[in-house]
This record gives sequence, structure tokens and C-alpha cells, in this order.
Amino acid sequence: NAGVTQTPKFQVLKTGQSMTLQCAQDMNHEYMSWYRQDPGMGLRLIHYSVGAGITDQGEVPNGYNVSRSTTEDFPLRLLSAAPSQTSVYFCASSPGQGISQPQHFGDGTRLSIL
Amino acid sequence: QQQVKQSPQSLIVQKGGISIINCAYENTAFDYFPWYQQFPGKGPALLIAIRPDVSEKKEGRFTISFNKSAKQFSLHIMDSQPGDSATYFCAASANFNKFYFGSGTKLNVKP
Repeated sequence: NAGVTQTPKFQVLKTGQSMTLQCAQDMNHEYMSWYRQDPGMGLRLIHYSVGAGITDQGEVPNGYNVSRSTTEDFPLRLLSAAPSQTSVYFCASSPGQGISQPQHFGDGTRLSIL
Repeated sequence: QQQVKQSPQSLIVQKGGISIINCAYENTAFDYFPWYQQFPGKGPALLIAIRPDVSEKKEGRFTISFNKSAKQFSLHIMDSQPGDSATYFCAASANFNKFYFGSGTKLNVKP
């Protein structure tokens, strides 16, 4: 049972490059979300989705795009990477909004922007 | 402005002691308060959670105390063990929608 799978685990980019962080879950969860984790700041919500075709912004959405074409996948796109986006990115999923079930987190993508 | 404030930033406890981590919030719409445990190189994992209709919830050595009027909640780890050494995050959400996390507490339990 894979749970939430994030790829890649590590990535180094140059300023201005674009890339997509992948997130896939095999639990048929409706709710998926992306967080960034920075030292001393906890996890901050970037974008979330309550189901296929539906996405919304979190606390820190600027510089990131998302789409949700299937229940299983929720990719996060950096269109033009900036050093301020150096962080550890976590994807999470849960059965659905309004349902008392825990969020399951992936093991993260460690991203460095030079 | 951080929605959930967590303290202390770091905590050192002797084996067998009690670890206490505190969180405070302002948004009275929050109705779900989970605590997560994170080991290095791993994603956070749910440890225990509470709804505001109860003042305390206990699961094994882990207890959440909740004070609705003060808008504060805390995690108590009884009989702390070296295996409990990790970073702990409190969080809050309204209707399991957006989740807001505290800044984290790094716990070190000394043998």
C-alpha cells in the first residue's frame, strides 16, 4: 500500500527554471493539498483540491500552479523558480472535506533554487 | 499573521519525564485541532486530535488538553522516551478545510 507518493525526492533548479512536483495517492481520497515547510515556520498551505477538477488557494499560493484532472494525481508547478521557493514540499491527502479523517502526508520533495 | 502560535521552539526532557507543548489560536471558527509528529526525512503523521466539545483526550501516553475560552490547547507526553524525539506540530482547521500549522517544537528526550 503506497499511500502518498511524491517525486522527485530531491531537486536543484536554477532561478527562472520551471518544474513540476508530482504527487499521487492510491487511497481514492477526494481531498489533496500541497504545503511548504520552512525552518521556524511550520507547514504553510499552498493550494488544495476537494476533488477532481476543483482547486483553491491556500496561504501562500503565489508562484505556484496546480491542477487536478484525476482523483489520484495533484501536481504542483513552479513556472519560474525563485530562491525564495527553496523549501521542503509536502503533499497530503484525506478522504474528504468535512470528514473526520487524518491527512496522510508523503515524505516530501527537497527543492533548492540557486 | 500566523493563525496558530506554538511554543516552545525546542524542548529537552529526561527519559520518563513529561513533555508539554502549547498552542494558541484566534479564529473561533476552528473546530478541529490535530497534533502531528515528524521524524527527520519523513512527512508529518497524525498523533492525536481533538474537537472543541471536549476538554481532554488521551491516547496512551499522549494527552491533548483543550481550553476553549482561552483558545489554547496543549500536548502532554507522559513517560517520555528517546523514541519520542521528533518535531511536533499543532494544527487547526474549520470544517476540515484549510489546515493551519504551528511553527513546530523539536523535542529531544535524553536517555
